[in-house]
Amino acid sequence: SQQGEEDPQALSIQEGENATMNCSYKTSINNLQWYRQNSGRGLVHLILIRSNEREKHSGRLRVTLDTSKKSSSLLITASRAADTASYFCATEEVGNEKLTFGTGTRLTIIP
Amino acid sequence: KAGVTQTPRYLIKTRGQQVTLSCSPISGHRSVSWYQQTPGQGLQFLFEYFSETQRNKGNFPGRFSGRQFSNSRSEMNVSTLELGDSALYLCASSWRDRAQETQYFGPGTRLLVL
Repeated sequence: SQQGEEDPQALSIQEGENATMNCSYKTSINNLQWYRQNSGRGLVHLILIRSNEREKHSGRLRVTLDTSKKSSSLLITASRAADTASYFCATEEVGNEKLTFGTGTRLTIIP
Repeated sequence: KAGVTQTPRYLIKTRGQQVTLSCSPISGHRSVSWYQQTPGQGLQFLFEYFSETQRNKGNFPGRFSGRQFSNSRSEMNVSTLELGDSALYLCASSWRDRAQETQYFGPGTRLLVL
């Protein structure tokens, strides 16, 4: 079963704009991770945020975590064509070390 | 360091057959996890191995099994294949046990069951 639900399911923006995608989950977590996947290939780890952290940055990526709302957001600033991919959140649940993936957001950057 | 490698990359089987997929983790990584990705169910956790022991298992039937060798390489086996087993199978490795650790994914094995 899916732990995370991502919103929106698909997003198309112009190159240079910012892209925001959201992830909601159901149970208490140890950490939340974001991954990118290009065209049915392997996943690439983007960023990990622990449950006691509220915000984290990595290059053009900014991730926030609100454990009271059980939600996270991923912001990609100044988008590029190469950012076109599917983005997944994944949660490490407390007491259950399985990594559970969300449904994913398909991001398309229009040149 | 070389990344996670998976073999074969593509596979076509028929219903009722069995299949074995292989995953070689990044050198020094001791944890290997397997996932199944389908359009309908998304990414689902199959199992995790750490130091040759299965640490965690997802909700898959017993037809799905795996093992890990002393060099951390892992194999997963699916017996009596069904059409619904058609999927992209991904493995991921991490240095220690998977909790709180970044996982590095391989390119996947795409299995088609006819």
